Amino acid sequence: GQNIDQPTEMTATEGAIVQINCTYQTSGFNGLFWYQQHAGEAPTFLSYNVLDGLEEKGRFSSFLSRSKGYSYLLLKELQMKDSASYLCAAGDSNYQLIWGAGTKLIIKP
Amino acid sequence: IAGITQAPTSQILAAGRRMTLRCTQDMRHNAMYWYRQDLGLGLRLIHYSNTAGTTGKGEVPDGYSVSRANTDDFPLTLASAVPSQTSVYFCASSDGNSGANVLTFGAGSRLTVL
Repeated sequence: GQNIDQPTEMTATEGAIVQINCTYQTSGFNGLFWYQQHAGEAPTFLSYNVLDGLEEKGRFSSFLSRSKGYSYLLLKELQMKDSASYLCAAGDSNYQLIWGAGTKLIIKP
Repeated sequence: IAGITQAPTSQILAAGRRMTLRCTQDMRHNAMYWYRQDLGLGLRLIHYSNTAGTTGKGEVPDGYSVSRANTDDFPLTLASAVPSQTSVYFCASSDGNSGANVLTFGAGSRLTVL
C-alpha cells in the first residue's frame, strides 16, 4: 500500500532549528512535496524534491533520499509565524499526491 | 487577485439534503482537484479533472460527483449528504499532471452535516 509517516506534533523554541522527518512508501515515485498550513487556512507550497540531496530556499531546506524513502524539512531561525502544520506529500506513478497527516509545529518564545 | 475561489466558506446541512460546493480558478490551470481534510488524516482526494471535459475518481469518491464543463469551474456535489461527510473541503488546481505538480489551494469550505 501507499503510506506517508510524519510526527504528529513537535515543539521548538523561537530562533532555533527544527527538522521534521517524513518517510514514504508509494507505487512509483514522482517527487516529494512539503506544504505549510496555518490553522484554518489553505495549504501553501514550500518545496519540491525529485532528486537526492538538499534543496535550500531561504530559512527552509528540504532533503530527499529516494533509496531510503525519506525526506526532511529543516527550518532555521524559527519565528513565531512558523507555527503551523507541515504536510509531506509524495507523487505516485499516476502523479497523484499521497499526503501525510501533517506535523503540527509549536514555536515557544 | 489570481487564485481559487470556493463557496460557501461554511455550511451546516441536514442529512439527506443535496449540496454543491463551488470552485472557480482564474489561472487557466488544466488540472483541478477536490480534497477533504479530516482531523488526524492526510488530505484525501475525492475527484480530479486533468482537463476540461474529463474527470476521474480519487481515493474517496463515494457519495460525491463532479463536472468540468470548462477550464475555470469544478463544482463538487453531494447528492444526499450524510454525517460522515462532515469535513473541510479544499479545491486545488495545477497547470499540469506531471513533473513538479505544484497545487494551489482554495481557502476551503467547512461543511457540517447533522
